[in-house]
Amino acid sequence: KAGVTQTPRYLIKTRGQQVTLSCSPISGHRSVSWYQQTPGQGLQFLFEYFSETQRNKGNFPGRFSGRQFSNSRSEMNVSTLELGDSALYLCASSLAASGSGANVLTFGAGSRLTVL
Amino acid sequence: DAKTTQPPSMDCAEGRAANLPCNHSTISGNEYVYWYRQIHSQGPQYIIHGLKNNETNEMASLIITEDRKSSTLILPHATLRDTAVYYCIVRNAGNMLTFGGGTRLMVKP
Repeated sequence: KAGVTQTPRYLIKTRGQQVTLSCSPISGHRSVSWYQQTPGQGLQFLFEYFSETQRNKGNFPGRFSGRQFSNSRSEMNVSTLELGDSALYLCASSLAASGSGANVLTFGAGSRLTVL
Repeated sequence: DAKTTQPPSMDCAEGRAANLPCNHSTISGNEYVYWYRQIHSQGPQYIIHGLKNNETNEMASLIITEDRKSSTLILPHATLRDTAVYYCIVRNAGNMLTFGGGTRLMVKP
């Protein structure tokens, strides 16, 4: 059974550019969550999607957005990149959405973004 | 999600049991205790979770105190590959995991 696949694994952008990251969840998983990991702030929740609807959103500016497609694949976009957006972006998938009791999240390997 | 407190680092000898404590004194009745670990620059890996009873799987055991205010993750025979940051998380049914600083476990030969 394939795990959570994130692409690209590494990318370098310059300030002001935008970036789109992709996440393919485990087959059958309908919930996708995104997290940002930086040395200073640790792992922080960005947003969660289920059945193409955003269900929860973390405390990030509007430059961070996402969407989910009918096949449960998800993308996140960061516009007008800043140096502080350099981070490891992690995607996690699960069978069910929030409100489903014991629900295990499976993480991908992440996309490492460097902003110069 | 309730907050958790973990020691920032621990050492363990290879082959010995690693006991990682976690304090979650404000946990509420419907919140589960989850453990994940993260090996350098990889995505967090699920280890185990529990609500009230002790749990065991092929990776580890989870001991939750009767008042549920603390728990211990036990790796019965630590190997060098178990060197990682271990996160204890308490959560309700939501998928918004709140990660703290975790415990950096160093398994030494």
